[in-house]
Amino acid sequence: RKEVEQDPGPFNVPEGATVAFNCTYSNSASQSFFWYRQDCRKEPKLLMSVYSSGNEDGRFTAQLNRASQYISLLIRDSKLSDSATYLCVVNEGDSSYKLIFGSGTRLLVRP
Amino acid sequence: DTGVSQDPRHKITKRGQNVTFRCDPISEHNRLYWYRQTLGQGPEFLTYFQNEAQLEKSRLLSDRFSAERPKGSFSTLEIQRTEQGDSAMYLCASSLWTSGQETQYFGPGTRLLVL
Repeated sequence: RKEVEQDPGPFNVPEGATVAFNCTYSNSASQSFFWYRQDCRKEPKLLMSVYSSGNEDGRFTAQLNRASQYISLLIRDSKLSDSATYLCVVNEGDSSYKLIFGSGTRLLVRP
Repeated sequence: DTGVSQDPRHKITKRGQNVTFRCDPISEHNRLYWYRQTLGQGPEFLTYFQNEAQLEKSRLLSDRFSAERPKGSFSTLEIQRTEQGDSAMYLCASSLWTSGQETQYFGPGTRLLVL
């Protein structure tokens, strides 16, 4: 079993749609959770950290369910510029430094 | 631009050659990481430094790989006797670690193709 699992997609949605991505992780000791965005042939960029209470940043909402070891990302009012691969990231157990990346979920937003 | 920079951005080499990549972290970031990313996968941790000390190496990092951060600023990653399986994007990231909190910021990567 992969340490961080994501649906690879692609998710193909029209502009304005709401789309949700899910991610599961295997290490119950993980303490830090993130969503990174990666455009084609570019480096990953931090989209948002994920907190236990859930957090929102504009059109983006992240949720964490520690009991189920599940992380989600909701994008509302999708824009063409949201087209990218979204990487779910957790730290490895008690170590703050070692990040474990999922393989990513690809999003395509069409006009 | 005060972000993480990497050089070169692209490298094509023949199997068996040695290659060296450089990473310049964000100024004053005390941690520096190297990752490798292949097509369709997320980045995989290779090694990291806190200041000049290399604190962990992944088992992915064979003896042909060596990394240094001699003055606690820039870092180099060398691959000796390259193999076709080394073809990948090599990403560097840096962070300012304080009290257990950090966010890693990535450079643009060096894309390596071994022929």
